[in-house]
Amino acid sequence: DIQMTQSPSSLSASVGDRVTITCQASQDISNFLNWYQQKPGKAPKLLIYEASNLQTGVPSRFSGSGSGTDFTFTISSLQPEDIATYYCQQYDNLPYIFGQGTKLEIK
Amino acid sequence: EVQLVETGGGLIQPGGSLRLSCAASGFTVSSNYMTWVRQAPGKGLEWVSVIHGGGGYIYYADSVKGRFTISRDNSRNTFFLQMNSLRAEDTAIYYCAASYSYSSLDYWGQGTLVTVSS
Repeated sequence: DIQMTQSPSSLSASVGDRVTITCQASQDISNFLNWYQQKPGKAPKLLIYEASNLQTGVPSRFSGSGSGTDFTFTISSLQPEDIATYYCQQYDNLPYIFGQGTKLEIK
Repeated sequence: EVQLVETGGGLIQPGGSLRLSCAASGFTVSSNYMTWVRQAPGKGLEWVSVIHGGGGYIYYADSVKGRFTISRDNSRNTFFLQMNSLRAEDTAIYYCAASYSYSSLDYWGQGTLVTVSS
């Protein structure tokens, strides 16, 4: 199975900060990567698909980049409503493994 | 508007069986991909199983292979997860998710809690 390593596992930042999360795959997955947001007590929500494409309705402060084994998820200006846990997920090979998550908190 | 509603969760003893259902509205099960994802208490997301509504595309995570069975009833626009030989480590919130492609999980249900305990 392909393993996905996210870092950091938790992150504290201030409103307005630029926030970056990384995800590394154990082998080349091209751009077959999604990012999800999960707010406390809620189901996950797809934010970015195919590594860099913003899902419809998702604010433009969210972005993704990368290909191969190294990927980055960025919030350009952190908002209070962005408090959540963020997960990457590869879909190059079954099973479609998720990263272990990054819990984002407001400082 | 797409809506997915899971039912069937609850408390079950180790070794027991449970069937989860996911009823879809605003989305056609028969021609799309339906996935189960679970989340143990305080833990991350674990992909469990996927089925295409046409029936010819079914996969399982190794952790549930041989114990769980995914299926669908296109006439009811509903899909299922039959869980047998349940273990304590199967305790989790089970989410159903729907997508037009195998590549992403576009819509999610609210989740149903399965607790395996004596």
